[in-house]
Amino acid sequence: EVYLVESGGGLVQPGGSLRLSCAASGFTFSDHWVHWVRQAPGQGLVWVSRANSDGTSIAYADSVKGRFSMQRDNAKSTLYLQMNTLRAEDTAVYYCARESLGPPRAFDFWGLGTLVIVSS
Amino acid sequence: SYELTQPPSVSVSPGQTASITCSGNKLGNQYTSWYQQKPGQSPVLVIYQDNKRPSGVPERFSGSNSGNTATLTISGTQNMDEADYYCQAWDSSAAVFGGGTKLTVL
Repeated sequence: EVYLVESGGGLVQPGGSLRLSCAASGFTFSDHWVHWVRQAPGQGLVWVSRANSDGTSIAYADSVKGRFSMQRDNAKSTLYLQMNTLRAEDTAVYYCARESLGPPRAFDFWGLGTLVIVSS
Repeated sequence: SYELTQPPSVSVSPGQTASITCSGNKLGNQYTSWYQQKPGQSPVLVIYQDNKRPSGVPERFSGSNSGNTATLTISGTQNMDEADYYCQAWDSSAAVFGGGTKLTVL
């Protein structure tokens, strides 16, 4: 069975940093592109970033470009999101999501999410 | 940047058909996916490739996509279908989500 388990969330002050992890199991991690998607309290889903299967191509939403850095370790089946210079508007539940082997492309499995709160 | 527009809310009576639309420029030229999210839970894929259902998704869920509008249809809506629904498409490497539609079954 496919599992994606996020960790690393918590309370951080504005301007601070946090590193999220997403541990994958139940499938061949290195076969799939993976993404981070966030959801602010009471709001909708917003795409944050994605990594291709070997991590050589990373893309970011404009809102996090230059502040967030995504990496993957296929040997450990783990995805990371390094978040720097955090702002109040980064407060959200962060989900990691697996992209299906495509085409077509869709997010076929999601983690439970980890909550990040940016506040003084 | 590419945008997808959904109605904020849709109401339906139990047993009736619910339709949720998603609008975007030439959306019909690409595949659209739909996700269901219940309170406190992670999103779940219910439709991909416009009209395909993943294993385990009930047959009452269906989808279509043409022109500028994709539609998620729930036939014989049940109380358990009450949730937020999000459409999703792609803008090159980036995923784009609609703002979400709260489906109320009453």
